[in-house]
Amino acid sequence: NAGVTQTPKFQVLKTGQSMTLQCAQDMNHNSMYWYRQDPGMGLRLIYYSASEGTTDKGEVPNGYNVSRLNKREFSLRLESAAPSQTSVYFCASTVGGGETQYFGPGTRLLVL
Amino acid sequence: RKEVEQDPGPFNVPEGATVAFNCTYSNSASQSFFWYRQDCRKEPKLLMSVYSSGNEDGRFTAQLNRASQYISLLIRDSKLSDSATYLCVVNTKTGNQFYFGTGTSLTVIP
Repeated sequence: NAGVTQTPKFQVLKTGQSMTLQCAQDMNHNSMYWYRQDPGMGLRLIYYSASEGTTDKGEVPNGYNVSRLNKREFSLRLESAAPSQTSVYFCASTVGGGETQYFGPGTRLLVL
Repeated sequence: RKEVEQDPGPFNVPEGATVAFNCTYSNSASQSFFWYRQDCRKEPKLLMSVYSSGNEDGRFTAQLNRASQYISLLIRDSKLSDSATYLCVVNTKTGNQFYFGTGTSLTVIP
């Protein structure tokens, strides 16, 4: 039981490049989330998926898109990376209904 | 106004000390409350859920005051291994969203 996994662990991009962050969970959870964490800002929700087939915007969705590929996988795409998107990105999942969230190890992204 | 506010600290305490963290939340419809722990460069991990009647897990005690929209975490007999950032988290089930405080940094000194 791996829990929540994320790939890649680290990435360096140039401004304007695109990339997809992958997230998968093996806990049969219904809800999945993408957060970014910046110094002094705490974790901020980018997008979430309450259940397979649905996605909703969070607090900071601009510049990002998501896909809930199936119940296990939830990807985050940066279409045209900007330096302001330099951050640590965490994926999380929960059974649903406000229960405990389980986090992946994070992806550290640097946009030059 | 932020959904969840915490004193960022840092708190530097000697081993064996008792330390308390506080957190306030703005949405009175909030339903679930948690304390998470985050070690440097790691992911957040659940420390404990917070229940209306208050709850204790070993050296850790969490309290919830719905009237004042206030959550607290008390750590007794601090250990070096307690050094971390503690995140207050609130969920409003209608939106299925979790709101995080910016975290309180704790360093336990030998």
